Amino acid sequence: EPEVTQTPSHQVTQMGQEVILRCVPISNHLYFYWYRQILGQKVEFLVSFYNNEISEKSEIFDDQFSVERPDGSNFTLKIRSTKLEDSAMYFCASRGNTGELFFGEGSRLTVL
Amino acid sequence: GESVGLHLPTLSVQEGDNSIINCAYSNSASDYFIWYKQESGKGPQFIIDIRSNMDKRQGQRVTVLLNKTVKHLSLQIAATQPGDSAVYFCPENRGSQGNLIFGKGTKLSVKP
Repeated sequence: EPEVTQTPSHQVTQMGQEVILRCVPISNHLYFYWYRQILGQKVEFLVSFYNNEISEKSEIFDDQFSVERPDGSNFTLKIRSTKLEDSAMYFCASRGNTGELFFGEGSRLTVL
Repeated sequence: GESVGLHLPTLSVQEGDNSIINCAYSNSASDYFIWYKQESGKGPQFIIDIRSNMDKRQGQRVTVLLNKTVKHLSLQIAATQPGDSAVYFCPENRGSQGNLIFGKGTKLSVKP
């Protein structure tokens, strides 16, 4: 069964460092998303991406964040200068022509 | 305003019993509803969906009921198993790009 894959599964970084989280969406999907979940809290929408551009973003997705689809298979989330409060699980998701989003297993980011 | 609410934050059931998880929605224009589960340390996993032109849909051991009159959704799990222990969400489907907005969820605990 096709699935969304994310790497790394866990990344530890120092405050102020840049981090890139990678996702390989399901191959025939056209809509891509990033969500995050701070420990013990709810899953929060960050950004959606379609046709090589951001289609919607939340207030969390500030200038420190960016997304890119550098080739036909990868979808990345970059955090330019990490803060302690960026520590969270980051989930990538993709969607085809049906309504449901398929989520990856997440990348845990720990900022020290 | 739009919101997603869950009636019960926690639900504890005995293995083998049936479980019912409830969800209220406020956007009467919503035409598509999805249930997800999230096991500890994992990404949200699609369970079942239903469109607004239906009031019931069945899957394997799960049934979703939609009452548009009172804007209420429920997820019924038959013969609940320990593997069903998770947090269950009925995220609001928002935006033209299918962004899902998650609430806090209902935690289902299955006692052996």
